[in-house]
Amino acid sequence: TQLLEQSPQFLSIQEGENLTVYCNSSSVFSSLQWYRQEPGEGPVLLVTVVTGGEVKKLKRLTFQFGDARKDSSLHITAAQPGDTGLYLCAGGYGYSGAGSYQLTFGKGTKLSVIP
Amino acid sequence: NAGVTQTPKFRILKIGQSMTLQCAQDMNHNYMYWYRQDPGMGLKLIYYSVGAGITDKGEVPNGYNVSRSTTEDFPLRLELAAPSQTSVYFCASRPPGSRHEQYFGPGTRLTVT
Repeated sequence: TQLLEQSPQFLSIQEGENLTVYCNSSSVFSSLQWYRQEPGEGPVLLVTVVTGGEVKKLKRLTFQFGDARKDSSLHITAAQPGDTGLYLCAGGYGYSGAGSYQLTFGKGTKLSVIP
Repeated sequence: NAGVTQTPKFRILKIGQSMTLQCAQDMNHNYMYWYRQDPGMGLKLIYYSVGAGITDKGEVPNGYNVSRSTTEDFPLRLELAAPSQTSVYFCASRPPGSRHEQYFGPGTRLTVT
């Protein structure tokens, strides 16, 4: 079983602060995805990283995939109340194009940004 | 496109009752998935399907059944509901040719008492 450990589990910060969320595993993944989930809704994909060492930026969000493709981080600069939500990382494994390609999810980081 | 839709939004069942959670997508995705999400536990895969007529078990399939008679629909059946099946259930779909993108429905919150 592929396991992903996310930290921290909870994070409460003031508007304008920076934060980093971590996602770690002992397993190698083909890809690493980050989702954001609002209360009462399904997860929404933010980004996918597939290459070891890859860095992607999405406005104030920076995502990094570890060189060994076992870990990832999400960094938010100048957090805003609209960033509040549950952030989930998910590691992809299996064979390309096959139905057996699946995702294993971390337990999530619940972020609260206080105005 | 409506995307992935799920019904009902909420449901309360008594122990031993059965029900079907409905999931439909209008994006012509061939891959579909059912997950359950428990507080603080992330999402666990129950069943998945690679196309009409083809389904397979995920990590936590016990107590559930699925069918896939069309590309659009992927219902999840609970037989003899138990309190351990209290959870939020999410259906997701993935387009052909993409390993990575899963699109999730809004979820069904189920309570078994």
